[in-house]
Amino acid sequence: TQLLEQSPQFLSIQEGENLTVYCNSSSVFSSLQWYRQEPGEGPVLLVTVVTGGEVKKLKRLTFQFGDARKDSSLHITAAQTGDTGLYLCAGNTGKLIFGQGTTLQVKP
Amino acid sequence: SQTIHQWPATLVQPVGSPLSLECTVEGTSNPNLYWYRQAAGRGLQLLFYSVGIGQISSEVPQNLSASRPQDRQFILSSKKLLLSDSGFYLCAWSAILDTQYFGPGTRLTVL
Repeated sequence: TQLLEQSPQFLSIQEGENLTVYCNSSSVFSSLQWYRQEPGEGPVLLVTVVTGGEVKKLKRLTFQFGDARKDSSLHITAAQTGDTGLYLCAGNTGKLIFGQGTTLQVKP
Repeated sequence: SQTIHQWPATLVQPVGSPLSLECTVEGTSNPNLYWYRQAAGRGLQLLFYSVGIGQISSEVPQNLSASRPQDRQFILSSKKLLLSDSGFYLCAWSAILDTQYFGPGTRLTVL
């Protein structure tokens, strides 16, 4: 069974703080996606990483794909209340394998 | 540009009643289509996927079925709903082996 372990499961921080979310697996992925989901809505794609060691930046969000393409991280700098939501990673093995999600709450 | 629609947005149904959720995609041809179920605040469980008209693969045994009568239409059905069928149902599309894009979801409550 392919698993994608996502941590932490919950995170509550103050506005302005930094945070990192991790996704780890024993499986090798051809690509990995990060999504953000608001309550009652579908997940919205943030980024796709494809190459081992790849780093992508989206404003205050930095995404990294591990050299072996088995793990990834999402780092948010100076979090804002608008960053609140459920963050999901998903590894592509021909099918998408989803992590269990990280619920982020950014308090003003 | 591509868009994906789901309806209804919310649904409350009694136990034992039938179910039909619809998903349509615009702006692309021959997409891969997917049905997921999501527990509150958690990851997604793949229920069905389809690579073409009439081609359905089921990932988990369950009380639900799926059909793809047209290239860009994907339907999730049940003949008799169970309480455990309650959840948030998401449809997604992708090009072959590519990133998946999700619809807005349907909140199903079975009473």
